[in-house]
Amino acid sequence: EIVLTQSPATLSVSPGERATLSCRASQSITTNLAWYQHKPGQSPRLLIYGSSTRATGTPGRFSGSGSGTEFTLTISSLQSEDFAVYYCQQYDDWPRTFGPGTKVDI
Amino acid sequence: EVQLLESGGALMQPGGSLRLSCAASGFSFSNYAMTWVRQAPGKGLEWVSGISGSGDSTHYTDSVKGRFTISRDHSKSTVFLEMNNLRAEDTAVYYCVKDIWPFVVVSAVGAVWGRGTLVTVSS
Repeated sequence: EIVLTQSPATLSVSPGERATLSCRASQSITTNLAWYQHKPGQSPRLLIYGSSTRATGTPGRFSGSGSGTEFTLTISSLQSEDFAVYYCQQYDDWPRTFGPGTKVDI
Repeated sequence: EVQLLESGGALMQPGGSLRLSCAASGFSFSNYAMTWVRQAPGKGLEWVSGISGSGDSTHYTDSVKGRFTISRDHSKSTVFLEMNNLRAEDTAVYYCVKDIWPFVVVSAVGAVWGRGTLVTVSS
């Protein structure tokens, strides 16, 4: 099973600041990585797939990068609605797996 | 509008059986793989199972293999998760998820998520 590790576990930032979230895979997954945003009381929302392709409706301030085992999600200027938990997910091998999440809060 | 509506969640005793349903609408159901993802209380997301658009290909995470069965009924545009020999660690909100791409066996990249249904396993 491919294990995904996310860091940091919690990221405290202020609105307008830049946030950088990391996801590391236990083996190469090329670019088969997605990022999701999950807010309390809501369903998760797909932000990024293919490591760097924004999903429909994802604002331009969200960008993804990386390949192999190291990946990054960057939020260029945090808005109040961006405070949430962010998960990475690999879809390179079975079973599909998620990282433990990074909570972005104030 | 694409919609996924889960149902069937309940309070169950360990060892019991339960079937979750997910009614889909707003898209060509048979063209898309479907997935179940769960979230235990206070925990992160866990991918559980996926099924191809045709229903011919299924996949499971190790902890549910042999206990859970995913299936789909094209006439009803519904995907099911049959859960047997339930354990306390199966307690979670179960989300039904639609794959992002049509005609791909199962990517499990979740473009659309339902609101979830709660399964509680406790004696």
